[in-house]
Amino acid sequence: GQQLNQSPQSMFIQEGEDVSMNCTSSSIFNTWLWYKQDPGEGPVLLIALYKAGELTSNGRLTAQFGITRKDSFLNISASIPSDVGIYFCAGPPSYNTDKLIFGTGTRLQVFP
Amino acid sequence: DVKVTQSSRYLVKRTGEKVFLECVQDMDHENMFWYRQDPGLGLRLIYFSYDVKMKEKGDIPEGYSVSREKKERFSLILESASTNQTSMYLCASSLSTLRGNTIYFGEGSWLTVV
Repeated sequence: GQQLNQSPQSMFIQEGEDVSMNCTSSSIFNTWLWYKQDPGEGPVLLIALYKAGELTSNGRLTAQFGITRKDSFLNISASIPSDVGIYFCAGPPSYNTDKLIFGTGTRLQVFP
Repeated sequence: DVKVTQSSRYLVKRTGEKVFLECVQDMDHENMFWYRQDPGLGLRLIYFSYDVKMKEKGDIPEGYSVSREKKERFSLILESASTNQTSMYLCASSLSTLRGNTIYFGEGSWLTVV
């Protein structure tokens, strides 16, 4: 089936550093969603993007809907230990559907 | 707050057993989902239901079936569990918007098949 590829697969960073990750698709998406999964929990929505070129922030998090509509980016500024977790991108694989497919995930570790 | 509740957090089953994973949502959502999560593979959609008794296969439906007899409840069934079905299973729900609306997840069910 269709797949969203995320990179990097994992990141190990120092507290206070900025983080960038991205998500790419072979086909066009009309919605991009970014989720975070804390250890032992289900994923929780961070940011939703609905328009090509859109840039949206949620606190220290900023996400962008790529102009080509085949990619999206998530940045975290000044990372803190509670940013640890797995970050997933997601989107509907076609028009007129609520079905969502998810990316392979980026695992983030933050060291104090 | 939206609440998606999965009946079991941790299960251990034997190969060949029939396994039921139950999920209930309390927000009157039309859509419900079952995903499987494995390291390096992300979340893969097993089945999607957009209404009572309606279902659509996801990317990896083989070896699974689902049941949605009531709007708030979506069950995942493993007819004959196999070791390669050892995984974390996540249930989710969402409102119907036909544009990929936000979905809300349960806490997950860890299934080990021995």
